Amino acid sequence: EPEVTQTPSHQVTQMGQEVILRCVPISNHLYFYWYRQILGQKVEFLVSFYNNEISEKSEIFDDQFSVERPDGSNFTLKIRSTKLEDSAMYFCASSEWRNTEAFFGQGTRLTVV
Amino acid sequence: AQTVTQSQPEMSVQEAETVTLSCTYDTSENNYYLFWYKQPPSRQMILVIRQEAYKQQNATENRFSVNFQKAAKSFSLKISDSQLGDTAMYFCAFSSNAGGTSYGKLTFGQGTILTVHP
Repeated sequence: EPEVTQTPSHQVTQMGQEVILRCVPISNHLYFYWYRQILGQKVEFLVSFYNNEISEKSEIFDDQFSVERPDGSNFTLKIRSTKLEDSAMYFCASSEWRNTEAFFGQGTRLTVV
Repeated sequence: AQTVTQSQPEMSVQEAETVTLSCTYDTSENNYYLFWYKQPPSRQMILVIRQEAYKQQNATENRFSVNFQKAAKSFSLKISDSQLGDTAMYFCAFSSNAGGTSYGKLTFGQGTILTVHP
């Protein structure tokens, strides 16, 4: 069964460093998403991406965040200068169309030290 | 802005019994979607069941069913014949159908930890 894959599963980075989280969405999907879950808190929407541009973003998704689809298969989330409060589980998701279900990856745990 | 509230931080049930998880939401929209996602210890989010707001009939997927009360803005999940593998965090989620918003832009509740005891 097709699935969304995320790498790495766990990343540790120093405060102030840039980090790139990678995702490979399901191959025929057109809509891509990033979510964040701080430990013990709810899952929060960050950004949606369609047709090579951001279609929606939350207030969390500020200038330190960016997303990119560098090739036909990868979808990345870049955090330019990480802060301690960026420590969280980051989930990538994709959906085939605007009104079809989103499939989630297994998440990347980001720890900023 | 929409909000989703799950008032039960934790629930437990005996294997083979039935349990109901509660969810309420707030929205001014008329067309939207509601979901229940399961997050087992592996942390992956798995869709359990979905409901379109325009459908009056409650959705059912095998042992999982919902009680959708649109006027009351309530969306509870019933798990029948609970199994040990149902142990997980369960999230209720809302997605708008307005203004080109995509299905995958979800507003989640705080989650309910469900433990199924043997």
